[in-house]
Amino acid sequence: QVQLQESGPGLVKPSGTLSLTCAVSGASIRSRHWWSWVRQPPGKGLEWIGDIYFTGTINYNPSLKSRVTISVDEAKSQFSLKLRSVTAADTAVYYCARWGPYFDYWGQGTLVTVSS
Amino acid sequence: EIVLTQSPATLSLSPGERATLSCRASQSISNYLAWYQQKPGQAPRLLVSDASDRATGIPARFSGSGSGTDFTLTISSLEPEDFAVYYCQQRSDWPPYTFGQGTKLEIK
Repeated sequence: QVQLQESGPGLVKPSGTLSLTCAVSGASIRSRHWWSWVRQPPGKGLEWIGDIYFTGTINYNPSLKSRVTISVDEAKSQFSLKLRSVTAADTAVYYCARWGPYFDYWGQGTLVTVSS
Repeated sequence: EIVLTQSPATLSLSPGERATLSCRASQSISNYLAWYQQKPGQAPRLLVSDASDRATGIPARFSGSGSGTDFTLTISSLEPEDFAVYYCQQRSDWPPYTFGQGTKLEIK
């Protein structure tokens, strides 16, 4: 059973950096899948942030590309998200998900609030 | 960027009724469309991939159709657990993958 689990601070100050990690279990992070981040502001729809392949190949949403870094740690079977210069508009539930194609497995999501 | 427009925004129906949800793409996306169901406090769940292929474990009452720019998710006979928000998502032209704004299916 594939499982994904997000972890990281639930509160980030404006202009700071949001950092989250997704631990993958039940599947190899080296499998033929991409590993994605998707976010959902409270009461709103879904926005794809970007994804990474275990080789390190990355795709980003152009709307966030200048502020986002996604990385992978094969040894720990996890991948990470960093979003810089955050504002209140970045407050959202952040999900990690597997793309294979389409998002077939998701973490439960973690709420990150941007506030001073 | 491909824009997906879902209609209606809210659909009010009773258990046992048939639900028809629509998703329109701003340009042709062939059949590269998925549907997801999201319940409050939960992550989305993949229902249908490539417009019409039900995902593993999804009941047969869920069916998808369409190609090009117009797509439909049909729930043949609503069960109480089907009341949720439904999203469509395309993979034809990326980055970025894009989602529709969602249709809320509520109990009448």
